[in-house]
Amino acid sequence: EVQLAESGGGLVKPGGSLRLSCAGSGFTFSNAWMNWVRQTPGKGLEWVGRIKSKADGGTIDYAAPVKGRFTISRDDSKNTVYLQMNSLKTEDTALYYCTTGSITITGFDYWGQGTLVTVSS
Amino acid sequence: QSVLTQPPSASGTPGQRVTISCSGSSSNIGSNYVSWYQQLPGTAPKLLIYRNNQRPSGVPDRFSGSKSDTSASLAISGLRSEDEADYYCAAWDDSLSGPVFGGGTKLTVL
Repeated sequence: EVQLAESGGGLVKPGGSLRLSCAGSGFTFSNAWMNWVRQTPGKGLEWVGRIKSKADGGTIDYAAPVKGRFTISRDDSKNTVYLQMNSLKTEDTALYYCTTGSITITGFDYWGQGTLVTVSS
Repeated sequence: QSVLTQPPSASGTPGQRVTISCSGSSSNIGSNYVSWYQQLPGTAPKLLIYRNNQRPSGVPDRFSGSKSDTSASLAISGLRSEDEADYYCAAWDDSLSGPVFGGGTKLTVL
């Protein structure tokens, strides 16, 4: 059974940093493209970024609102993908999900349960 | 506000067939595959349809997807109470160089 478990969310002040983790199991993690998607009541679902598998080049792409502030990385030996979030803004407040897959090939086929990030003074 | 446009709500009675629309543009739906997601209350989204009309294993054939030009639709036949959920469409956007989502449609089973 495929499982994704996010962790690392919490309350942080504007300008602060936070690192989210997502541990995967039940599939060959090293072959998976991993995404971060966030959800807010006001803006719905929003793609944050994606890291391809190393076999597919390991390319990392980000959505415009987070480019230059967020960094995605992966450790295939730990079956874990990370989202380092710096210079956080109040508008980054959201429930952050990690997902597997490619939107154009498989869709986002598996989702974790999400971890809540609240940016507030 | 969302790049893809969905009606905020839809409803139907048990056994009925309902459709949810998703409108985009030539840079997203018009040139890329559409996927659909179901989000039950308090849970994470779940993939229902990918590549416009493909169902992952385990998704009932009551759910079907279609696409025409810059619009897509999700149809649910034989509506059940457990289908009450939020439904989202998504597609790659060539102009934004990333996936975009619809604002979601809340389906109520009357």
